[in-house]
Amino acid sequence: DTGVSQDPRHKITKRGQNVTFRCDPISEHNRLYWYRQTLGQGPEFLTYFQNEAQLEKSRLLSDRFSAERPKGSFSTLEIQRTEQGDSAMYLCASSYTGPNYEQYFGPGTRLTVT
Amino acid sequence: AQKITQTQPGMFVQEKEAVTLDCTYDTSDQSYGLFWYKQPSSGEMIFLIYQGSYDEQNATEGRYSLNFQKARKSANLVISASQLGDSAMYFCAMRERTGRRALTFGSGTRLQVQP
Repeated sequence: DTGVSQDPRHKITKRGQNVTFRCDPISEHNRLYWYRQTLGQGPEFLTYFQNEAQLEKSRLLSDRFSAERPKGSFSTLEIQRTEQGDSAMYLCASSYTGPNYEQYFGPGTRLTVT
Repeated sequence: AQKITQTQPGMFVQEKEAVTLDCTYDTSDQSYGLFWYKQPSSGEMIFLIYQGSYDEQNATEGRYSLNFQKARKSANLVISASQLGDSAMYFCAMRERTGRRALTFGSGTRLQVQP
């Protein structure tokens, strides 16, 4: 069990550029979640997948955001036309199906938009 | 409406002493789960302990225990015998059975353990 991994760990980009983040969940987990965390706050839900199906999206996920999990394994989160307000830590988590299972988080990708 | 409330932005505790971190929640679901996570300065969220709404016993995991009072809608985390490595942000989170499948987090409590 290698845990949840995310790449890159840090990303600095200029306003208006597109960025893509990758998350590799724990292999046996069929649920994958994306959260965003700004300084001094708890993580906020963005979207989640069960296998390859995207089952829920938060209203935080504007049209500039898109997430995929094409083969039910790794996932990507793309932000188009980045804005300074997108600067945050983007966290990925995975879990088994079921309400009682804890989510295991990756180390996060810290995005800075200049 | 805020569903998870952590009223202590920061707490101090002496090494080897116990500390309680407060968490209250709001839900209309009868079935839900409560989680506590630790986030050190490195940024990774580390799962600590889970309590189901139908669990009659308070959850315990090593030095962590959850003081679950269902009628008061509180789920306080108790850390016994604090260690310097316990210094971190602590987040309470809830997952409702019929609502969103993702976790709803509180704003966190920063714990500092002093030698």
